Amino acid sequence: GAGVSQSPRYKVAKRGQDVALRCDPISGHVSLFWYQQALGQGPEFLTYFQNEAQLDKSGLPSDRFFAERPEGSVSTLKIQRTQQEDSAVYLCASSPVAGVGNEQFFGPGTRLTVL
Amino acid sequence: KNQVEQSPQSLIILEGKNCTLQCNYTVSPFSNLRWYKQDTGRGPVSLTIMTFSENTKSNGRYTATLDADTKQSSLHITASQLSDSASYICVVTDPFSGGYNKLIFGAGTRLAVHP
Repeated sequence: GAGVSQSPRYKVAKRGQDVALRCDPISGHVSLFWYQQALGQGPEFLTYFQNEAQLDKSGLPSDRFFAERPEGSVSTLKIQRTQQEDSAVYLCASSPVAGVGNEQFFGPGTRLTVL
Repeated sequence: KNQVEQSPQSLIILEGKNCTLQCNYTVSPFSNLRWYKQDTGRGPVSLTIMTFSENTKSNGRYTATLDADTKQSSLHITASQLSDSASYICVVTDPFSGGYNKLIFGAGTRLAVHP
């Protein structure tokens, strides 16, 4: 595929369940970002990978959130013991190189609803 | 306090009319400013990117302006089309992101173009 893909597109979870969200970046892209977008708000930074290295996880809201990119391509965002406040759209973006000023290409997002 | 504030929150215009969206930011020092378009259920797509030394950038019917002294930007849309209905988000690069492209998003302006 030509763009960033994410799966699933929609996820409904009961409070307390664990969920895993997948991101397939554009092939060869070095940088990968995860964002959380609450309803009616702009995206907020969660975490950043450069290849397989997680260089910044300062935006992760709690230790229930965990992200990995073990081979420097596909990334997974895992949320343990989901809470209602975790309900949001989770966006993934990739960029061909590291560094300020480079374009980020966004996936369509995963809409998570926690009941 | 939000570092990127946008106005209006929402806007309705008739097809063919022009409109201007506003963005005020407090992020300093300044690296670059972007405008993104986000269709419902999709990820954001970049429209323009400007560095602090640029004061205008066009992309078809979209023209962004930047006043780095007053920390204001605007996005002007001419001859609006129904397909312009979307959220428009102003984004500034976090100057303390350590060399990668950590973005700070505004909440967006939701534009509806009616026939």
